[in-house]
Amino acid sequence: EPEVTQTPSHQVTQMGQEVILRCVPISNHLYFYWYRQILGQKVEFLVSFYNNEISEKSEIFDDQFSVERPDGSNFTLKIRSTKLEDSAMYFCASRTTVLPVGYTFGSGTRLTVV
Amino acid sequence: SQQGEEDPQALSIQEGENATMNCSYKTSINNLQWYRQNSGRGLVHLILIRSNEREKHSGRLRVTLDTSKKSSSLLITASRAADTASYFCATGSGNTPLVFGKGTRLSVIA
Repeated sequence: EPEVTQTPSHQVTQMGQEVILRCVPISNHLYFYWYRQILGQKVEFLVSFYNNEISEKSEIFDDQFSVERPDGSNFTLKIRSTKLEDSAMYFCASRTTVLPVGYTFGSGTRLTVV
Repeated sequence: SQQGEEDPQALSIQEGENATMNCSYKTSINNLQWYRQNSGRGLVHLILIRSNEREKHSGRLRVTLDTSKKSSSLLITASRAADTASYFCATGSGNTPLVFGKGTRLSVIA
């Protein structure tokens, strides 16, 4: 079964450092998403990406965040200057254009900012 | 904003019993989805029910949707210890991103 792959599975970074979280969506999917989940809390939407541009973003997704699809397969989330409160599990998801359809989520990257 | 809210927040049952989790939301949707998350792991899509459907089955899972009450339920029959996980409902409408609820933590005791 096709999977969404995320790397790394766990990243520890110093406050103020830049991090890049990587995702390989399913190859024929065209919508891509980043969500995050702070420990013990709900899964929150960050940003959606379609046709090589951001289609929607939440208020969490401020100027510290950016997304990129640098090539035909990878989809990245960059946090420019990490804060302690950025510590969370970050999930990438993708789906086809056919609605309605369930999303396929990756297994997540646990980001710990120290 | 549309928002799924599950109850109960936590549920503990014996293996073999049925588990029922409920979800309420606030705005119009065109589908509602249930996801499962094992501790510290990714989200696994379980089942999707469209707004014009009232009930859907998949294996031991049964989902109902009542759009007049803006609520859904997920029933897991004959639960197993391996069903222990958190279960989230998520609402979808067109191309807007899924909105997740806070989840129900299910513990199935062998």
